[in-house]
Amino acid sequence: ILNVEQSPQSLHVQEGDSTNFTCSFPSSNFYALHWYRWETAKSPEALFVMTLNGDEKKKGRISATLNTKEGYSYLYIKGSQPEDSATYLCAPGTGNQFYFGTGTSLTVIP
Amino acid sequence: EPEVTQTPSHQVTQMGQEVILRCVPISNHLYFYWYRQILGQKVEFLVSFYNNEISEKSEIFDDQFSVERPDGSNFTLKIRSTKLEDSAMYFCASNPAQLYEQYFGPGTRLTVT
Repeated sequence: ILNVEQSPQSLHVQEGDSTNFTCSFPSSNFYALHWYRWETAKSPEALFVMTLNGDEKKKGRISATLNTKEGYSYLYIKGSQPEDSATYLCAPGTGNQFYFGTGTSLTVIP
Repeated sequence: EPEVTQTPSHQVTQMGQEVILRCVPISNHLYFYWYRQILGQKVEFLVSFYNNEISEKSEIFDDQFSVERPDGSNFTLKIRSTKLEDSAMYFCASNPAQLYEQYFGPGTRLTVT
């Protein structure tokens, strides 16, 4: 089982601030990494799938990078908005099996 | 926009009973998954399914669990003899191919009493 660590566990930022979180995982047997956004009472929503070392993905104000050699991925949110408040989960995997972190809970204060 | 659906939204069952959780993946998707989240814990992978067979499964997915795609649209998870520790939110997900985004259903909350 992959030991996936996400930090920080929770984060409160002011509207307009930029922020970032970390997902760490063992770098051996890496296949792909998923980032999800999970709002309360909803199901996880896919943000990115990343596979290659050095990958950078962007969707609007949210972007992510991947370092498979050292075993980490960063998620960045530029100019946070209240609607960005959610738990952000990463799930690296081997083959077709994925291991979730505990998530980073983001609260954006208006 | 197409979405993954799951039924029921909440299932209460007695210990030892069999339950079947149902999912309808997005119609052109080929890979299907079951995950669960016990309250307060991480989301855990259970099983992935492709081409009418299990492609990977976790240690959690023991002989008490089985999956099936009985009719080309439904994807089911059966728990043969439920235990108290099976109480969790069960999520189904699908994607059109490996390395694509997975689309999650709304989940079924299973409560075993």
